[in-house]
Amino acid sequence: DQQVKQNSPSLSVQEGRISILNCDYTNSMFDYFLWYKKYPAEGPTFLISISSIKDKNEDGRFTVFLNKSAKHLSLHIVPSQPGDSAVYFCAASEVTGNQFYFGTGTSLTVIP
Amino acid sequence: EAQVTQNPRYLITVTGKKLTVTCSQNMNHEYMSWYRQDPGLGLRQIYYSMNVEVTDKGDVPEGYKVSRKEKRNFPLILESPSPNQTSLYFCASSYSGPTYEQYFGPGTRLTVT
Repeated sequence: DQQVKQNSPSLSVQEGRISILNCDYTNSMFDYFLWYKKYPAEGPTFLISISSIKDKNEDGRFTVFLNKSAKHLSLHIVPSQPGDSAVYFCAASEVTGNQFYFGTGTSLTVIP
Repeated sequence: EAQVTQNPRYLITVTGKKLTVTCSQNMNHEYMSWYRQDPGLGLRQIYYSMNVEVTDKGDVPEGYKVSRKEKRNFPLILESPSPNQTSLYFCASSYSGPTYEQYFGPGTRLTVT
């Protein structure tokens, strides 16, 4: 059973606008969350993370929001650029555990 | 250059023929892991290792074996591959466990006929 879900397989956004990628999880024990970005024919690369003691973390154009009560996190990219076109995976883990659980990915296309 | 390397990058094999996919990292990371990526299922963890001689099952360990005899290497062994193991495999490493970002290798595309 998928413990981390990304319900939108794809998303298209105009360059310069905001991209919002969503992720839901079912395991209330998860307390650390990460976003990875993947280009074709490459391995995923780390983008941004957030621990459950925070509800927001920013890094440049990327912001991750965490709503623990809703078991939901989102990644905001502002402004979106064509180079952001990639597949985005969210991942979750328990700080006291050693396993990672990834979502199914959202393919973002930023249209110039 | 800090990196995770995997070999081979592409492999076509037949059912039942044992194979090994190698993974090596040069960052002195303690944590290493194997994932498979399948359409509609995302990345699923196969096995992970917290340190030398310490390995444990992930979500989908059936049909796979691993070993961690040295800190830098973490090979994935398929003793008797089957067609349902056709997938894209990624090796990853991190400094130590789940609160550290993982560095991924470039992937190994495996086809079992």
